[in-house]
Amino acid sequence: NAGVTQTPKFQVLKTGQSMTLQCAQDMNHNSMYWYRQDPGMGLRLIYYSASEGTTDKGEVPNGYNVSRLNKREFSLRLESAAPSQTSVYFCASSEVAGPGANVLTFGAGSRLTVL
Amino acid sequence: TQLLEQSPQFLSIQEGENLTVYCNSSSVFSSLQWYRQEPGEGPVLLVTVVTGGEVKKLKRLTFQFGDARKDSSLHITAAQPGDTGLYLCAGAPRGNQAGTALIFGKGTTLSVSS
Repeated sequence: NAGVTQTPKFQVLKTGQSMTLQCAQDMNHNSMYWYRQDPGMGLRLIYYSASEGTTDKGEVPNGYNVSRLNKREFSLRLESAAPSQTSVYFCASSEVAGPGANVLTFGAGSRLTVL
Repeated sequence: TQLLEQSPQFLSIQEGENLTVYCNSSSVFSSLQWYRQEPGEGPVLLVTVVTGGEVKKLKRLTFQFGDARKDSSLHITAAQPGDTGLYLCAGAPRGNQAGTALIFGKGTTLSVSS
C-alpha cells in the first residue's frame, strides 16, 4: 500500500546515545515533515522539508538534525539523546491538493524512550 | 504565532449521545483540516474545509468552518464506540503553499462506551 514508512517503530536509548529515525514515502510528494507528539501537547513540528534539497526548522528543532536524502526519504537524527526527547515521532508528507489544502499523510510513528 | 485552541480536551460519553468539538483561533486560516488518530497509529485525514461558512458531512460527522475562517467545529451525531479516538484540528496559515507546515491543536480525546 502507498504511504509513509517509518523505522524503527520502537527504540530505547541511554542518555547521550545517538540514533537516526528513517522515513520514506512512495507518493511522489514534494514536502516532508517530522513531528513529535507528547501527552497534552498535541503535534509539534520539529523540522520540515518543503522540497528536495531544502530543510527548515519548526517549533522545536533543538537537539535534532535532519537530512532530505532524496525526494522519497527524510531522516531525523538525535546526536546526543536526552530524557526530554522521549516521545512519539511522526513523519508525514504532503502535496498541495488545492487552494490552501496541504493534506498530510502520516506514518505509524516511532516510539522513542530515552533513559 | 498562530495558535489553535481545541476544546474540550477530554470527552467521555455513552453510545448514542451527540457531541461537539471546537477549534478556535484569533488568526485567519486559508483552510482547516480535521484528523482522527487511533492508538498506535498516525493521524488520518477526515476532512478539509476551505471556504468560510462551509459545512461538510461525513456520515454522522458534520464539520463547519467559521465565516471568518478563524474557527471550526466537529459535531458527531449518535456516537458509537468506533468513534473513540483522538481528534485533531489543523490549520493552514493564510497564503499557504506547498511545504508550509500546518498548525495543530492539542487534540480532543473522545471515549464512547457502549
